[in-house]
Amino acid sequence: EAGVTQFPSHSVIEKGQTVTLRCDPISGHDNLYWYRRVMGKEIKFLLHFVKESKQDESGMPNNRFLAERTGGTYSTLKVQPAELEDSGVYFCASSQTGGQVNYGYTFGSGTRLTVV
Amino acid sequence: AQSVTQLGSHVSVSEGALVLLRCNYSSSVPPYLFWYVQYPNQGLQLLLKYTSAATLVKGINGFEAEFKKSETSFHLTKPSAHMSDAAEYFCAVSDRYGTSYDKVIFGPGTSLSVIP
Repeated sequence: EAGVTQFPSHSVIEKGQTVTLRCDPISGHDNLYWYRRVMGKEIKFLLHFVKESKQDESGMPNNRFLAERTGGTYSTLKVQPAELEDSGVYFCASSQTGGQVNYGYTFGSGTRLTVV
Repeated sequence: AQSVTQLGSHVSVSEGALVLLRCNYSSSVPPYLFWYVQYPNQGLQLLLKYTSAATLVKGINGFEAEFKKSETSFHLTKPSAHMSDAAEYFCAVSDRYGTSYDKVIFGPGTSLSVIP
């Protein structure tokens, strides 16, 4: 079974530019989550999709971040315009339907975003 | 609100020595508890999880953790460290009930170094 795939693995962009991160969950996983780890800090929840619907987006830092999951398959996370403090590692995770977290998420390898 | 603390942002052990990574949580109700590991340049991998069965939980790669309600702790141990255990370890917690039951709260992480 293929795991959770994220790309790009690394992205370096200038302040003010736009970047789009992509996450392909495990096939059949309705739940998709975005997390991020800003340098030196904890891994923080950003949002949770159930299929194409946003179940919880309480962790989105501001309106420069836009997440979508059209068709309930892969998801994108767009940052526009990027700021220096957006630098960090962005993780995606997925879980099964009815996917109570006690199963444990499956995480992707993350996208390391550097804003210069 | 739930929180997780990990004592020691960096731990060094000699190869063959006991590994002990500490985790304490704050929650009024015993939550689900997890340990995740991140090897260099890889994603987060679930090591083990506690979901209310046995308080001593065995995970992959020889790791285990014991849930102690009285101490609100979930420390991770391994009897004998191997060089390949060098990685960053994250303790995490989630609610058993309520609308946020599938949101995982991570600790700040502990970086484990293994000295030959």
